[in-house]
This record gives sequence, structure tokens and C-alpha cells, in this order.
Amino acid sequence: SQKIEQNSEALNIQEGKTATLTCNYTNYSPAYLQWYRQDPGRGPVFLLLIRENEKEKRKERLKVTFDTTLKQSLFHITASQPADSATYLCAPKAAGNKLTFGGGTRVLVKP
Amino acid sequence: NAGVTQTPKFQVLKTGQSMTLQCAQDMNHEYMSWYRQDPGMGLRLIHYSVGAGITDQGEVPNGYNVSRSTTEDFPLRLLSAAPSQTSVYFCASTSAATEAFFGQGTRLTVV
Repeated sequence: SQKIEQNSEALNIQEGKTATLTCNYTNYSPAYLQWYRQDPGRGPVFLLLIRENEKEKRKERLKVTFDTTLKQSLFHITASQPADSATYLCAPKAAGNKLTFGGGTRVLVKP
Repeated sequence: NAGVTQTPKFQVLKTGQSMTLQCAQDMNHEYMSWYRQDPGMGLRLIHYSVGAGITDQGEVPNGYNVSRSTTEDFPLRLLSAAPSQTSVYFCASTSAATEAFFGQGTRLTVV
């Protein structure tokens, strides 16, 4: 069956450092992969989309890579700030109409 | 634009009661989905729809019913509430290969 794995352990990181999150998927052939941010008590908010023919995508301090051979996406937050503290969810999207999410990784940036 | 609007924000039900969670979007998106999120966990897909009159089951459909009579509305019905359905429910809408927009969530407690 299809599976999406994100590190369930919280990532504690010092302000200014780079946070790196991993999203692994199995039994999927995603056409693209999305990353979302979720703050406590709120719905997820879209951050980035990367397509299968793209290796890397950047948006401000965020960078996403997509390796379809390894079936993995990496999400980087550079120069992290306390305001980046949140849970980050990945969502590989295959052909078809279902959008399913990994369990999310909580990031805590300490000043 | 309001985006995705969910009502109610909070609800307490007794076991066995039924209710409908409302979801409306004003972006003319064809795809709409319902998710539940339990503490410390990711989003699990309950039901989704690819257009008016078309619905399909997600990962955890049991105990829930949906219909899609218009593009804008996608209500979720709990047929006979159980304590296991205590959760936060999110509705989302998206167009093909684009970001999903989420509502603010409905926090449901079944006692």
C-alpha cells in the first residue's frame, strides 16, 4: 500500500541554523510533491510545490529537493527563525485525485 | 474571497447523535476533500470529490457520508457519532496540480 513517512520526532534547532526535514514515500509515482506548514489549531498552509522533472525549488529561505530514484524529498529552512516553529507536512501527489499527507515533522527553533 | 469556510468551529455531540459539518469554497475548485486530524498525527483522508455529483472514499470513510450537489459545497455527515470520531476535521479544496486551500477546522468532541 502507499505510504508516506516523515520523521515523527520533533526537530529542535538553534536560530540561524538550517533545518532539514525528510519525506520518504513508497508505492507512489508522484507527478509532484507539495509541502505545507501547520500551526497549532489551524489548517495547513501551502508552501512549495516541486514537479517530478524538477530537482530543486526555492522560495525565500526555503528549499525543496525531489529525488524520484530515492523516492525522497528534502525540505530545508535556512537561517531559521523562531517564527519558523511549526509542523511541516509533505504531500506527494500521484495521478488521480487523492491528496494524502505524511504525519508531519514538528520544528522548534530556539532563540 | 473567503476561500474555504467551515462551520461550526466547535461541536460537542452525544454518542449516537448525527450531525453535518459544512464546507463551502468560493474559488470554483473542482476538487474538495475532508480530513481528520488526531492529536500528534497527520491528516487522514475521509472522503473526497472531483466535481459535483462525484465522490469517493479515502483512507478512513467508515461512519461518514458525503455528497456534492454543487461545486461550492461539500458537507460531511456523521451518521451516528462515536467517541472514536472525536477529532479535528479539515475541509480542503484545490484545482488540478495546484495548492490545496484548507478551512479553519471543526473541533468535534463526542461524549
